[in-house]
Amino acid sequence: EAGVAQSPRYKIIEKRQSVAFWCNPISGHATLYWYQQILGQGPKLLIQFQNNGVVDDSQLPKDRFSAERLKGVDSTLKIQPAKLEDSAVYLCASSLGGMGTGNYGYTFGSGTRLTVV
Amino acid sequence: RKEVEQDPGPFNVPEGATVAFNCTYSNSASQSFFWYRQDCRKEPKLLMSVYSSGNEDGRFTAQLNRASQYISLLIRDSKLSDSATYLCVGGSTLGRLYFGRGTQLTVWP
Repeated sequence: EAGVAQSPRYKIIEKRQSVAFWCNPISGHATLYWYQQILGQGPKLLIQFQNNGVVDDSQLPKDRFSAERLKGVDSTLKIQPAKLEDSAVYLCASSLGGMGTGNYGYTFGSGTRLTVV
Repeated sequence: RKEVEQDPGPFNVPEGATVAFNCTYSNSASQSFFWYRQDCRKEPKLLMSVYSSGNEDGRFTAQLNRASQYISLLIRDSKLSDSATYLCVGGSTLGRLYFGRGTQLTVWP
């Protein structure tokens, strides 16, 4: 089974520039998540989609971050303009569903490592 | 206060040792609990789910105490390949995962 695909693997940009990340979830997974992992910390949820609708974006800094999942399959996360503190690994994950207990096939992609200089 | 708190370590143990990790959670939204393993520069991967009755998977034993809001992971007979960061995780009914900062384990020969 193909896993969660993310691109690019690495990105270096200057502060105030914009950047976009792409994620293709596991086929059939209705729920897609974007997490931010800063060095030395655990991942933190930025946004959760159920099909093409947003379930939770309470932790997304909406003044600079945006995300979409237009057709309910792949998704893009954008940062504009980037700040130094945005340097982190951006992880995409997908699962069969988000209700109830259990893991529901929750799988992470290998992430995009962003460095803002 | 963070939803999930765990000692970041690091833990450095010899092969064959038994090591225990603990964490506490404060978020009542967490209904399910997990331990994830994360290797250096890799994504987190599910190690095991955690149940109140306790569960075991080979050398790994996990335990959940809902009354104390406490989760534990015990690794017996440590192997070199167990070296990684272990993340304590709570999951909400909507699927959101709350991660601790991780505990770093190094097993030396």
